[in-house]
Amino acid sequence: GEDVEQSLFLSVREGDSSVINCTYTDSSSTYLYWYKQEPGAGLQLLTYIFSNMDMKQDQRLTVLLNKKDKHLSLRIADTQTGDSAIYFCAVDGRRVGTGFQKLVFGTGTRLLVSP
Amino acid sequence: EPEVTQTPSHQVTQMGQEVILRCVPISNHLYFYWYRQILGQKVEFLVSFYNNEISEKSEIFDDQFSVERPDGSNFTLKIRSTKLEDSAMYFCASSPRTSGEKNIQYFGAGTRLSVL
Repeated sequence: GEDVEQSLFLSVREGDSSVINCTYTDSSSTYLYWYKQEPGAGLQLLTYIFSNMDMKQDQRLTVLLNKKDKHLSLRIADTQTGDSAIYFCAVDGRRVGTGFQKLVFGTGTRLLVSP
Repeated sequence: EPEVTQTPSHQVTQMGQEVILRCVPISNHLYFYWYRQILGQKVEFLVSFYNNEISEKSEIFDDQFSVERPDGSNFTLKIRSTKLEDSAMYFCASSPRTSGEKNIQYFGAGTRLSVL
């Protein structure tokens, strides 16, 4: 089945850029997502990218997709202490013909931003 | 901004008891999902629901689990006889439809289930 992998931990200083990486196995994934989870909160959708795109920028967030290497990354520019959270990569596990979509998640990367 | 709400935020139960986790999806959404996250592990898909029936379920979703949309707003997950290994955070999600740009799942804050 589909597998999604992420590094577990990233530590950066405030003002630096953060890059969170993700690899996945299913090349037929159509949408790829980044969710953010703050302590005690749910999974907040940050951004997503369609598989026919290489890059998507949304304010401080830049998503890069390398379909050949099945590699997705999230770059956060000018990282702030409020960005400290767990970031989950997820891909859709769409099955052809059913129109059904489930999400397959990575383990999550804990981002710690120090002042 | 519309959001998915889940109640309770924390549920403690004894092994063997039945529990019902409740969710109110976003009002104009058509597809509903349950996921769970055992502490320290990945978020795992359990089940999806559309048009009053299950669309897809994972291996985890065995006969002990059931889902229901009892009225126009609530979406529930029932575990008939809880086991210790059911202890996890359970997330409800909803999406407008499953294709196109609106193919996005919005998650609730989760219910932490503790089975003693």
